[in-house]
Amino acid sequence: DAKTTQPTSMDCAEGRAANLPCNHSTISGNEYVYWYRQIHSQGPQYIIHGLKNNETNEMASLIITEDRKSSTLILPHATLRDTAVYYCIVRVAKNSGGSNYKLTFGKGTLLTVNP
Amino acid sequence: ETGVTQSPTHLIKTRGQQVTLRCSSQSGHNTVSWYQQALGQGPQFIFQYYREEENGRGNFPPRFSGLQFPNYSSELNVNALELDDSALYLCASSSQGWGNYGYTFGSGTRLTVV
Repeated sequence: DAKTTQPTSMDCAEGRAANLPCNHSTISGNEYVYWYRQIHSQGPQYIIHGLKNNETNEMASLIITEDRKSSTLILPHATLRDTAVYYCIVRVAKNSGGSNYKLTFGKGTLLTVNP
Repeated sequence: ETGVTQSPTHLIKTRGQQVTLRCSSQSGHNTVSWYQQALGQGPQFIFQYYREEENGRGNFPPRFSGLQFPNYSSELNVNALELDDSALYLCASSSQGWGNYGYTFGSGTRLTVV
C-alpha cells in the first residue's frame, strides 16, 4: 500500500470548515483513498473513500487532485464532536488475496475543534 | 444492526501470563481483523480471519494467535505477555474480506501488562 503524509495537528473554529490534507504521491492506479477518524478512547470510524472523483456523504467531502497524488478531507461545519485523529489510508478496494487486506495506519492528524 | 463488540473493555495482566480477548463481529460481516494500538500511535495490523482461517498476518510473533468461530466471532490470544504488549487491541469486521465501506471497528480492549 502506498504511504501517506499528513500534518501532525490542526486547529479549526467551531462552525467553520475543516480541511485536512493528505499527500499520497506513490498511489497506484487501483488504490483508493480512505479516511477514518478516531475519537479518544474509541475505535476508528470510517468516514469516506474515493478513487479519482470527488465524493460527498453525510459526514464529509473528499477532494482528490487530478493527478491523485494528494487529497483533502472537508468537514463543512466542524463541531466540537469532530475533535479526533484523522487517518488517510490508501489501498485497493477489494480483497483479491495476498497482502492487500489490511489497513496501514500512520499517525494521522489530530484535529482540534475550538469553541 | 449491532456493531462490533469487544470484551473485556479493560484488563490488567502480569508479565508472562496469557490473555484472551473476544470480539463479536457486526451482523452480516464474515471477516475479522485484529489491530494493536500503542499509545500515541496508529493501529497496527496483527492478523485477519476469513472462513475460520487466518488469511493475512502482520509483523507480530507467533505468541499472538487467534480463532474465528462459525458465527464469525473471534478471539485474540497472546501468550507470554511482555510489558510492550500493553496497548489498545481493536477488532474490526467487514464482509467478503473487504467491504465497500471498509471495516467497522469495536471500541477495543485496553490491556495493561505489569
